[in-house]
Amino acid sequence: SQQGEEDPQALSIQEGENATMNCSYKTSINNLQWYRQNSGRGLVHLILIRSNEREKHSGRLRVTLDTSKKSSSLLITASRAADTASYFCATDWGAAGNKLTFGGGTRVLVKP
Amino acid sequence: DGGITQSPKYLFRKEGQNVTLSCEQNLNHDAMYWYRQDPGQGLRLIYYSQIVNDFQKGDIAEGYSVSREKKESFPLTVTSAQKNPTAFYLCASSTASYGYTFGSGTRLTVV
Repeated sequence: SQQGEEDPQALSIQEGENATMNCSYKTSINNLQWYRQNSGRGLVHLILIRSNEREKHSGRLRVTLDTSKKSSSLLITASRAADTASYFCATDWGAAGNKLTFGGGTRVLVKP
Repeated sequence: DGGITQSPKYLFRKEGQNVTLSCEQNLNHDAMYWYRQDPGQGLRLIYYSQIVNDFQKGDIAEGYSVSREKKESFPLTVTSAQKNPTAFYLCASSTASYGYTFGSGTRLTVV
């Protein structure tokens, strides 16, 4: 399967600290996306990075992509209690276009 | 407001019963998707549709059926052939190679 794998599975940090999570995948991709899910809710799109990009920023989020290592990382800087959620990477890899395969997620707890 | 609406929020199914989950979007997106999420897990693709009157099986289509008669609507039927249907079901839509917009989900429980 093309499924991405996130690491770590769970992360607990203090408010104000940075949170870093990683995603690895198996085959070539068109793009990689990160999503956030609050408990019992739908997913919210955070950021999309294309295969020819190496780094993208959006507010307190920084995403990197290393296609040679087939990996991506999501950094949340200066975390807040409201950042407590599960974070998923998803890969768009097929010729069919924009059909995403999701990883198992990283559960982040930000303690006040 | 543009968005994607799933209903109902909670659904209970008896053994041997078919149930239908609704998904409606007013974003004018061509593509729509159904995912299943089990507790503490990621999402698995059930079905997807890139245009009206066309849909494709995902990774776990057995026991499910869909239709796409209108651009705005992509209902999912969980049939009695799905032996373990208890899960959180998420519908999403997208356009071209952009991020998905998700609904708020339907939690289905077998009673």
